[in-house]
Amino acid sequence: AQKITQTQPGMFVQEKEAVTLDCTYDTSDPSYGLFWYKQPSSGEMIFLIYQGSYDQQNATEGRYSLNFQKARKSANLVISASQLGDSAMYFCAMREGGNTGTASKLTFGTGTRLQVTL
Amino acid sequence: NAGVTQTPKFRILKIGQSMTLQCAQDMNHNYMYWYRQDPGMGLKLIYYSVGAGITDKGEVPNGYNVSRSTTEDFPLRLELAAPSQTSVYFCASSMYQETQYFGPGTRLLVL
Repeated sequence: AQKITQTQPGMFVQEKEAVTLDCTYDTSDPSYGLFWYKQPSSGEMIFLIYQGSYDQQNATEGRYSLNFQKARKSANLVISASQLGDSAMYFCAMREGGNTGTASKLTFGTGTRLQVTL
Repeated sequence: NAGVTQTPKFRILKIGQSMTLQCAQDMNHNYMYWYRQDPGMGLKLIYYSVGAGITDKGEVPNGYNVSRSTTEDFPLRLELAAPSQTSVYFCASSMYQETQYFGPGTRLLVL
């Protein structure tokens, strides 16, 4: 079974509008973390936002927020007030386990390509 | 503070050749990782290290080797290059289980 599922291969959004990128995950570990990374056409991986499984509130970082619904095992990324520079691939990733000493191995989804239009 | 650096940026190998992808970080991170990204796909973990002298396999380790003699460096070795190893390779580091920070990637083409 896929551990991270991103069902939207591509999305379009108009500039200044909000957009939601979907991510569902599968784990039986009670301690886990969810990450979103942005990959522009230049290729680098840019960290956007993190949500821990025990965090009570949804994470926010500037125009990025993470809509964390634990019971549904979803961790959708919301980008508000889209900008042309937001056009990129977006990857959802999960770290399982919370013990210090174990590496933070990430499992990535296949990504969603976001195109912001005028 | 350069973060995570990778060399080379791009390389073409012939089948059967060997090479080492270099990765270095100056953030004093204990954990380092190697991922590969095939076209249109997410990243897959090749190897990781929790500290100098300690390495372990990830999801797709076959055809690769690593070593970690210092905290700063984590080279990835390809011994007998195969076309299936054509990919973009990313190195990353983290302080324990915190956020991983990625290098700019190495694009490898095996012909």
